[in-house]
Amino acid sequence: GAGVSQSPSNKVTEKGKDVELRCDPISGHTALYWYRQSLGQGLEFLIYFQGNSAPDKSGLPSDRFSAERTGGSVSTLTIQRTQQEDSAVYLCASSLGPRDQPQHFGDGTRLSIL
Amino acid sequence: DQQVKQNSPSLSVQEGRISILNCDYTNSMFDYFLWYKKYPAEGPTFLISISSIKDKNEDGRFTVFLNKSAKHLSLHIVPSQPGDSAVYFCAASNYGQNFVFGPGTRLSVLP
Repeated sequence: GAGVSQSPSNKVTEKGKDVELRCDPISGHTALYWYRQSLGQGLEFLIYFQGNSAPDKSGLPSDRFSAERTGGSVSTLTIQRTQQEDSAVYLCASSLGPRDQPQHFGDGTRLSIL
Repeated sequence: DQQVKQNSPSLSVQEGRISILNCDYTNSMFDYFLWYKKYPAEGPTFLISISSIKDKNEDGRFTVFLNKSAKHLSLHIVPSQPGDSAVYFCAASNYGQNFVFGPGTRLSVLP
């Protein structure tokens, strides 16, 4: 399909392990966002990529979180030394550009830290 | 500090009636507002948006109203259908920068 694709759809891991979450945005979309949604909460902004500009990392909750976007397309969100409070649904979205453009979301990765 | 608030965590409406979902914001620099709908185990899907230069935008059964002086927007769904039952998120952005989402309102449309 032509939508935003995220993998894996579910990830269960032990506390202290590192995890990588992947996002394939819609082709041609220059803006890419990562959010997370904890149980019963709204969407929490994590990081924003726009073209070749430096990403806006202001939403990353700690230095255990990092993200990169290669070639202006695929993005990976990495969480090092996972903690139980990292358990959440991690959502990726992309849009045509940064301004006045609705975001198209993937179905998310449900991360569970045991 | 919650910049985008949806003070009703849930709302129940009878099928065929109007659903009104409310959203308040605190940042007067927000200039673009959106509503998203989310079903369980799926990502949010875009519904309708409005620029700060307008006070109303309509798309079929969905209308968004913006009151800039009150920093308030609302989504009207009429007539409501059972398939509209979902969580609705209000979102706002400042010149296309970070999109700030509200906590969501769960709408239940009763047959």
